[in-house]
Amino acid sequence: EAQVTQNPRYLITVTGKKLTVTCSQNMNHEYMSWYRQDPGLGLRQIYYSMNVEVTDKGDVPEGYKVSRKEKRNFPLILESPSPNQTSLYFCASSFGTGPLMNTEAFFGQGTRLTVV
Amino acid sequence: QKEVEQNSGPLSVPEGAIASLNCTYSDRGSQSFFWYRQYSGKSPELIMSIYSNGDKEDGRFTAQLNKASQYVSLLIRDSQPSDSATYLCAGDFGGYNKLIFGAGTRLAVHP
Repeated sequence: EAQVTQNPRYLITVTGKKLTVTCSQNMNHEYMSWYRQDPGLGLRQIYYSMNVEVTDKGDVPEGYKVSRKEKRNFPLILESPSPNQTSLYFCASSFGTGPLMNTEAFFGQGTRLTVV
Repeated sequence: QKEVEQNSGPLSVPEGAIASLNCTYSDRGSQSFFWYRQYSGKSPELIMSIYSNGDKEDGRFTAQLNKASQYVSLLIRDSQPSDSATYLCAGDFGGYNKLIFGAGTRLAVHP
C-alpha cells in the first residue's frame, strides 16, 4: 500500500530534550516536506527536500533541522524543543518537482507533539 | 508574502444542498491549486487539483479557477453529512511543490 508513515503519532516531551520524528514514504517520491498545523494558522511548511541531500527552508524553519540521506526517509529533528513548538506535524511527499508536474501531496498520519 | 485566504466558517448547509467554498490568493504567479479535505484529527487528503482557468468536475465536486481575479472555489453538489470536514485550499507558488495553504473552511452538513 502506497503510504507516508510518521512516527511517533503522539509525543509529550520536556523543554530542551532533543527529539526526532521519523517520516518514510514507499512511493519513490522525490519531493518531501514537513508542515506544522496550528489552529487558525493552517498548514505551514517547515522544511522541504527536492531530492537526496537537497533540503531547503520553508516558511517556519526556526528550531528545526532535517536531513535527506536516502530517498524514502526525511526525519524532522528538534534539537532543543520549546513549548511554542507544541503543534500537529505532518510529513508529505509528492512525485513531481517542476511546474505543472504531478504535484499531489500525500500526507502522513500526523504527529501530535506537546512540549512542556 | 504569498498568501492564501479562506473564510474559516463554519459554513452550514442542509443535506442535499450545494456547498460553495471560496479561496483567494495574493500572487499571480501560482500555477496550480489544490483542494484538500481534512477530517478532525486526520491528515489532509487531496480531492481536487486545478491548473488552468475554468471549471473542473469530478463526481460531486467542481473546482473553479479564475486567475485574473485570483480566486479558486470548490462546489460540492448533493452535500452529505460525511462531507462535514475542514477544506483546505493550497497554491503551488514556487512551481516546485512549495504549497501555501489557507487556514481552511469548516463545512458542516446537517441532515
